[in-house]
Amino acid sequence: AQSVTQLGSHVSVSEGALVLLRCNYSSSVPPYLFWYVQYPNQGLQLLLKYTSAATLVKGINGFEAEFKKSETSFHLTKPSAHMSDAAEYFCAVTDYSSASKIIFGSGTRLSIRP
Amino acid sequence: EAGVVQSPRYKIIEKKQPVAFWCNPISGHNTLYWYRQNLGQGPELLIRYENEEAVDDSQLPKDRFSAERLKGVDSTLKIQPAELGDSAVYLCASSPGIGERAYNEQFFGPGTRLTVL
Repeated sequence: AQSVTQLGSHVSVSEGALVLLRCNYSSSVPPYLFWYVQYPNQGLQLLLKYTSAATLVKGINGFEAEFKKSETSFHLTKPSAHMSDAAEYFCAVTDYSSASKIIFGSGTRLSIRP
Repeated sequence: EAGVVQSPRYKIIEKKQPVAFWCNPISGHNTLYWYRQNLGQGPELLIRYENEEAVDDSQLPKDRFSAERLKGVDSTLKIQPAELGDSAVYLCASSPGIGERAYNEQFFGPGTRLTVL
């Protein structure tokens, strides 16, 4: 079964610093991969998705992620953190060949220090 | 365009009581999902509908949970009777496609936070 592992339940960076949120996946076939963001008391919003096209995917709010098959990783980065980036981030995977569902990771809470 | 609408936003009930959540997906979206999100965890799928058909309900605890999507639009998720462990946020999502195209993007509602005392 597919799964995703998010390393670090909580990441704290200074405003203006690099943001790096880690995600590793397990899948028997090339997956679709997603990053979602959840602000307090809100639903999840799609940041970006990988669907077997370009390995470097650019999303909203300046975020991007790189699909690395050799490392089974899909880490999320942003060059310069902003206070408004403070939120919960979820990595997710789906193997559409099984026509099943999206599997979400347990999430990483990003805090931004002034 | 309106997003996914859920009501109520918050619900507090005593154990053994029934509770229902309502979801109105984005207009024209064929696929609808109900997720449960426990504190500090990612969402877990309970049931997925394609139009009015429940195509994946393998994770729905059928002894106490039920769901319906009449006419392939709005959906209701019910718990009867509720247990302490049901305290969570219940999220509804919709997507425009069906089958593999459904996974291109899911649009989430704000959720219903259920507290069972």
